[in-house]
Amino acid sequence: QVQLQESGPGLVKPSETLSLTCSVSGGSMSSDNWSWIRQAPGKGLQLIGYVYYSVSTNYNPSLKSRVTISVDTAKKQFSLKLSSMTAADTAVYYCARVMGATGVYFDYWGQGILVTVSS
Amino acid sequence: EIVLTQSPATLSLSPGERATLSCRASQSVSSYLAWYQQKPGQAPRLLIYDASNRATGVPARFSGSGSGTDFTLTISRLEPEDFAVYYCQQRSNWPPRVTFGQGTRLDIK
Repeated sequence: QVQLQESGPGLVKPSETLSLTCSVSGGSMSSDNWSWIRQAPGKGLQLIGYVYYSVSTNYNPSLKSRVTISVDTAKKQFSLKLSSMTAADTAVYYCARVMGATGVYFDYWGQGILVTVSS
Repeated sequence: EIVLTQSPATLSLSPGERATLSCRASQSVSSYLAWYQQKPGQAPRLLIYDASNRATGVPARFSGSGSGTDFTLTISRLEPEDFAVYYCQQRSNWPPRVTFGQGTRLDIK
């Protein structure tokens, strides 16, 4: 059973960089692929990006210039950095495993962490 | 970018009834489509992948169908715990993109 847990600040100031970490248990950091997805309050889901083969990444084009996702296999963690935060980035941020199937689907999710952007 | 349009936005049904949710893609996604269920305050749960395959532990009353641009999630007999928001999601090969539909809220009538 794969379990994921997000950690990081719940409040970020405008223009700052958000740093979140997802701790993984039960999965294989090296052979599994990992993602970040967010959901603004009352809104739908938006893929931020995912990392595959531990080093390759695929980012949402609308966020690509501000996003970095990386994996630390030794710590069994992967992380998200999102720069130049604005109020529009206020959302619940989820980490999720990318399911090993023909498509890109998300089969295990963390509980989510609410990040508010405010001064 | 491929856009997924879900209908209806809200569906009001009673326990025991059959629910049919639709997801239409702006261009073909082959069978690379998934369905998720999200309850208030919880993370989404994968129900269906590759259009018609149930994820591990998903009850048999959930079924998915379709290919190309038109997809359906069917819940054969609604249980009280099925009332939630449902999202479809696709991934395209090139460019490699993942998008979600805007969701269908399934309410108790």
